[in-house]
Order: sequence, then structure tokens, then C-alpha cells
Amino acid sequence: DADVTQTPRNRITKTGKRIMLECSQTKGHDRMYWYRQDPGLGLRLIYYSFDVKDINKGEISDGYSVSRQAQAKFSLSLESAIPNQTALYFCATSDNTETEAFFGQGTRLTVV
Amino acid sequence: GENVEQHPSTLSVQEGDSAVIKCTYSDSASNYFPWYKQELGKRPQLIIDIRSNVGEKKDQRIAVTLNKTAKHFSLHITETQPEDSAVYFCAARRSQGNLIFGKGTKLSVKP
Repeated sequence: DADVTQTPRNRITKTGKRIMLECSQTKGHDRMYWYRQDPGLGLRLIYYSFDVKDINKGEISDGYSVSRQAQAKFSLSLESAIPNQTALYFCATSDNTETEAFFGQGTRLTVV
Repeated sequence: GENVEQHPSTLSVQEGDSAVIKCTYSDSASNYFPWYKQELGKRPQLIIDIRSNVGEKKDQRIAVTLNKTAKHFSLHITETQPEDSAVYFCAARRSQGNLIFGKGTKLSVKP
């Protein structure tokens, strides 16, 4: 089945370390997104990309960067991780403006 | 900035009762409104969506209504079952094309 795959699924890292979360998709979608989920705060958009040459900041981009290496790959980096970046991170894809977004399984990141 | 407000944050109902979750949005150019269900430890998955040219949509026990004038939309679940227990998120797709989510509603259905 075509899917959205995130790696790693779980990660514990230390404050100040650089970490990359990866997302790949086999749906053939142009649009990819990174969201962060915290209890009681819902899903907040970090960055999004509508094609390989397009990168846009979302609601909470500070402290994060992204790379769209190919249509199928969209990576999220934390240049210097801090404890309040501990959260569940989701990658999502969609194919145009009026269809659903498909989510990956999520990456649970803990910064100690 | 643009946002989506969702209420209530928690909702507890008896099995067989109805559940209603309400959302309001601020971007009048929003034209697509999906609802996602997230079971514990799983990814959000679409359960129903509605586009701006439609006022209501039903799928078995689930329905969504949209009032574009008032900029609000609601999810209605009838004859609730224990397996409906989950966190539900509304969202609105802005004119620029990205989805903005509400903060979620934790629904508990008691047997």
C-alpha cells in the first residue's frame, strides 16, 4: 500500500544535539508537511512544502529547519535540540488544495 | 494569525447517545474542512470532510455541517459506540493550501 513512512519512530537525544527526522512517501503527492503534537495543543504546523523547490514556514518554525530532497522525501532537523522540543512529530502529505492529508506513524522525540 | 477554535476539549457520553463537536475558523477564504480521528498511539486518520460549496454531509453515523456565513462547522456522531472513543480534530485548509488544526476533543463513550 502507498504510505507515509517516518524514521525513527522513537528517539531520545541530549540537549544541544542536532537531530534529523525523516519522512518518505510512496503516494506520489507533491505536498508535504511537518506537524508537532503536544497534549492539549493539537497539531501545529512547523514547515510545509508544495514541491521540491518550495519551502514555507508554518506556525512554529523557530528552532527547526527542513529539506525537501526529492518529491518523496521531506526531512525535519533540530539544529540544537532543547527540552521543550520534546513532542510527537508527524509528517503528512496531500496532493492538492481540497483533498485529505495522509499522516505518517509519528516520531516520538524526547530531549533530555 | 489564522486559527481554528474547537470545543469542547473533552466530551463524555453514554453509549447510544449523540456527540457534537464544534469548530470555528477565522480565514474566510478557507474552502476545505476535514475531521480526523486519532486513536491512542496511532496517527490521525480522516473520517469525513466537507467542502465550501456544501452545507451538510453524512456518512452512516457521522455527519458534518458547515455554516460559511458564521464560519463554523460541526461534527455529529449518532448512536455512539465505545470504539468511537478517541481524540477528534477539526481542520481548515487556508487559501494558501496548508491545513490548520483545532486543539482536539477527547471523546469518551461509556458502555
